[in-house]
Amino acid sequence: TQLLEQSPQFLSIQEGENLTVYCNSSSVFSSLQWYRQEPGEGPVLLVTVVTGGEVKKLKRLTFQFGDARKDSSLHITAAQPGDTGLYLCALFQKLVFGTGTRLLVSP
Amino acid sequence: DVKVTQSSRYLVKRTGEKVFLECVQDMDHENMFWYRQDPGLGLRLIYFSYDVKMKEKGDIPEGYSVSREKKERFSLILESASTNQTSMYLCASSSFDRLNTEAFFGQGTRLTVV
Repeated sequence: TQLLEQSPQFLSIQEGENLTVYCNSSSVFSSLQWYRQEPGEGPVLLVTVVTGGEVKKLKRLTFQFGDARKDSSLHITAAQPGDTGLYLCALFQKLVFGTGTRLLVSP
Repeated sequence: DVKVTQSSRYLVKRTGEKVFLECVQDMDHENMFWYRQDPGLGLRLIYFSYDVKMKEKGDIPEGYSVSREKKERFSLILESASTNQTSMYLCASSSFDRLNTEAFFGQGTRLTVV
C-alpha cells in the first residue's frame, strides 16, 4: 500500500496567520486530491491536482503539486476559524488517504 | 444535493454483538467504500465494492464483512464486535471512473463497543 505522510499532524494558530501543510510520498503519483473534514462530518473534496508543478487556488487556499509528483502542499492565507478541520491528502485512485493535519484556528 | 447517508451517527454496542452499519447513496454510483478513521492512523480501507454483489477486501478486512444487494446500499457487518473496533466508520461512494472523480462521504458513524 502506498503511504502518504502528512505534516504537521496538528497545528493551532490564531486567526489571521498563514500556514502551510505538507503531503509526501516515496512514490510518484499521477494525481492527488485534498479533502477537508469538519468536526462531526465526512471529508469533502477541495481540489484535485494533476500536473507536476501545478498550482491551484481556492479563495485563500493555494494547492501545489511538486515538480517530481511525489509531494504536495496546501497554503492558507489569513486563516479564519471556519478553516478549522482535518485536512487530508489522498490518492483516491489507489484508495489511499494520508493521516491528516488537524488545524485549529482560534479567534 | 447529492447524498451519502449513514443510518446512525452514534452507536453503542456490547462485545460479541453482531453490528450492522448501513449506507445509502442517491447518486447512482457504481463504487462504494467503507473506511474506519482512528486518531493518528487516518482513513483505512476496510472493504469496497464495484458493483452489486461484488466486494473486495481493503487493507483491514479482518473482523468485518459487507453486503451489497442493491446498487444504492452498502452494509458493513461486524460479526462479533470487539472493543478494538471502537472507531469512526465512514462510508463513501464514487462514480465508475475513479481516475477522474471524487469520493463522496457520509457523515460517519461513531461506534463504541463496550
